[in-house]
Amino acid sequence: AQTVTQSQPEMSVQEAETVTLSCTYDTSESDYYLFWYKQPPSRQMILVIRQEAYKQQNATENRFSVNFQKAAKSFSLKISDSQLGDAAMYFCARGGATNKLIFGTGTLLAVQP
Amino acid sequence: NAGVTQTPKFQVLKTGQSMTLQCAQDMNHEYMSWYRQDPGMGLRLIHYSVGAGITDQGEVPNGYNVSRSTTEDFPLRLLSAAPSQTSVYFCASSPRGDPRDTQYFGPGTRLTVL
Repeated sequence: AQTVTQSQPEMSVQEAETVTLSCTYDTSESDYYLFWYKQPPSRQMILVIRQEAYKQQNATENRFSVNFQKAAKSFSLKISDSQLGDAAMYFCARGGATNKLIFGTGTLLAVQP
Repeated sequence: NAGVTQTPKFQVLKTGQSMTLQCAQDMNHEYMSWYRQDPGMGLRLIHYSVGAGITDQGEVPNGYNVSRSTTEDFPLRLLSAAPSQTSVYFCASSPRGDPRDTQYFGPGTRLTVL
């Protein structure tokens, strides 16, 4: 089975500090895409960042960046200068040749003031 | 644009009842899909559609039917609800079935089957 694993069910970070959320995946495809989605208490799924597997450069979006290690099948999310609004469930997901997404089980991030 | 809309937001059913979860998008997206979210399991794909008249099964299709008669709408039918179908259901859409496309999710429907 092609899976996505998030080994940290919960994480906590102090406001203004940096936190890294881990994700590993398994795939037999050579071309695929990786995503981090944020789900706040409102339940809305919000795309945070996307990485294309054939690109070696790590994606960045403002305070959010990834560390993509293709050989290790690792895709971690770094949140810098954490804000109270970053508190949410974060899901790692993998997409392949079609747009079908396989999600991890999520990491609940708490931000302490 | 309203984006992706889902109705109802909440629903309680009794075992054996049938119902349809509605999903609509006004972005002229070809690709639409349904996911369910269960505690500790992330989101899992139920069914998807790459265009009007075309549907296919995802990871957990049993107990659900879909059809796609228009580009805008992608309803999910539960023919005989079971307690195992208690979940939060999300509809999503994207311009094409291309993984480079951003998928836009609806606000979800919380379904409880007693």
